[in-house]
Amino acid sequence: KAGVTQTPRYLIKTRGQQVTLSCSPISGHRSVSWYQQTPGQGLQFLFEYFSETQRNKGNFPGRFSGRQFSNSRSEMNVSTLELGDSALYLCASSSQGQETQYFGPGTRLLVL
Amino acid sequence: DQQVKQNSPSLSVQEGRISILNCDYTNSMFDYFLWYKKYPAEGPTFLISISSIKDKNEDGRFTVFLNKSAKHLSLHIVPSQPGDSAVYFCAASGENAGGTSYGKLTFGQGTILTVHP
Repeated sequence: KAGVTQTPRYLIKTRGQQVTLSCSPISGHRSVSWYQQTPGQGLQFLFEYFSETQRNKGNFPGRFSGRQFSNSRSEMNVSTLELGDSALYLCASSSQGQETQYFGPGTRLLVL
Repeated sequence: DQQVKQNSPSLSVQEGRISILNCDYTNSMFDYFLWYKKYPAEGPTFLISISSIKDKNEDGRFTVFLNKSAKHLSLHIVPSQPGDSAVYFCAASGENAGGTSYGKLTFGQGTILTVHP
C-alpha cells in the first residue's frame, strides 16, 4: 500500500497571503488528522476529519481551516499568514476504529 | 498544560547497548500510547504501541512498558544500532469520555537519541 502523501513538500509565502496544503491518506483510511510542528511548541493537533466531517479541533485560530473530500483526501488552508505560521505541517491517516496514525512526509511552510 | 512529557531532551548510548526512553503523562483518561521515530524534515514513523489494558508490548528490538499507576511508559531498544539515531516521540490518545480521541494524538516534546558506533 502506498503511504500518506502530502503536496507540496516545500512552500514559501509572504505575510498576509493564504496557503492550501493537500494530503492523500493511505488507501482505505477515512480519518485524516493534521498537526503543526514548530521548534517551540512541538507537535500540535490542528483538526481531524472523518467522512467529510470535522470531528475534532485543536486550539488554533479560525485562520486555520480544513476540509475532506468524498475520496478521503484532505486539504488544510491557512489564511492571512503570519510569521509564526512557519512550521512543518503534517497529516496522518488511520483506519476506522484504530488509534494508530500513519504520517506523511509533511509540508515545510516558510512565511516571510 | 503539557499532558505528555518527555523529560530527557537527549540520550546518548553505545552501539549494542540498551536505550531506554521515558515518557510521563498526567491525563488518566489516556488509554492508548504510541512511540514514533522522526528524522528532521520528515514525518514521524510509527514504531510500537500499547493499550492501557497491557503492561508490555514487544516488537523485535523494541519493547514498550506501561505503568498505569505511575502514569509512566518507557521504550526499550535492544540492541541499539547507529541507525536508531533520531528523535523519539511518545504520544497518547483516548482523552475523551468513552476512550475516544477523534483523531487527536497528544505528543511529548521528544528525546533525541544518539547511538555511537
